Amino acid sequence: KQEVTQIPAALSVPEGENLVLNCSFTDSAIYNLQWFRQDPGKGLTSLLLIQSSQREQTSGRLNASLDKSSGRSTLYIAASQPGDSATYLCAAVNQAGTALIFGKGTTLSVSS
Amino acid sequence: DAGITQSPRHKVTETGTPVTLRCHQTENHRYMYWYRQDPGHGLRLIHYSYGVKDTDKGEVSDGYSVSRSKTEDFLLTLESATSSQTSVYFCAISKEVGYTFGSGTRLTVV
Repeated sequence: KQEVTQIPAALSVPEGENLVLNCSFTDSAIYNLQWFRQDPGKGLTSLLLIQSSQREQTSGRLNASLDKSSGRSTLYIAASQPGDSATYLCAAVNQAGTALIFGKGTTLSVSS
Repeated sequence: DAGITQSPRHKVTETGTPVTLRCHQTENHRYMYWYRQDPGHGLRLIHYSYGVKDTDKGEVSDGYSVSRSKTEDFLLTLESATSSQTSVYFCAISKEVGYTFGSGTRLTVV
């Protein structure tokens, strides 16, 4: 059974800092890994999708990597801004069409 | 989110009453999911559907049933609501570019 873990649970950084959020999964036979952002009281916004054949994906200041052999994914945020404050969720799926398995998230606070 | 709508957005109901939440998609995707989100537990799968009349249980399916009579609609029913079912419920669809979630339904059982 796939399990997804995110460390740390919470992170506070000053504006402008580069940071890395970590995600680990127990079953390396994943199909996709997806990173989401969730603002308080809101829904999930998809940030990046990494397919199993890919090693990384980039969107603006965000870069997500996937290392299936070690069971890890990282989300790198460059030059953090207060608007980046949110909870970041990592989710893995083992087979096309099957459900995402979520980590519990990392709550990021960026201070100005 | 674009293409997926949940209703109602908020609901307060009494213990023991039946409740139905609706998820509607406009993009004809085969796979649809219901999750609940609770502090300390994160997002957990309740039920999912892989086609009209084809559904299966997820991790936390006890106390819930689902129906999918049309591709575009996936209904979640709490047959007799309990306080432990107070939660935020999210519907999702599986697309080629990943999974997309609805805006959620905040359900309070009093």
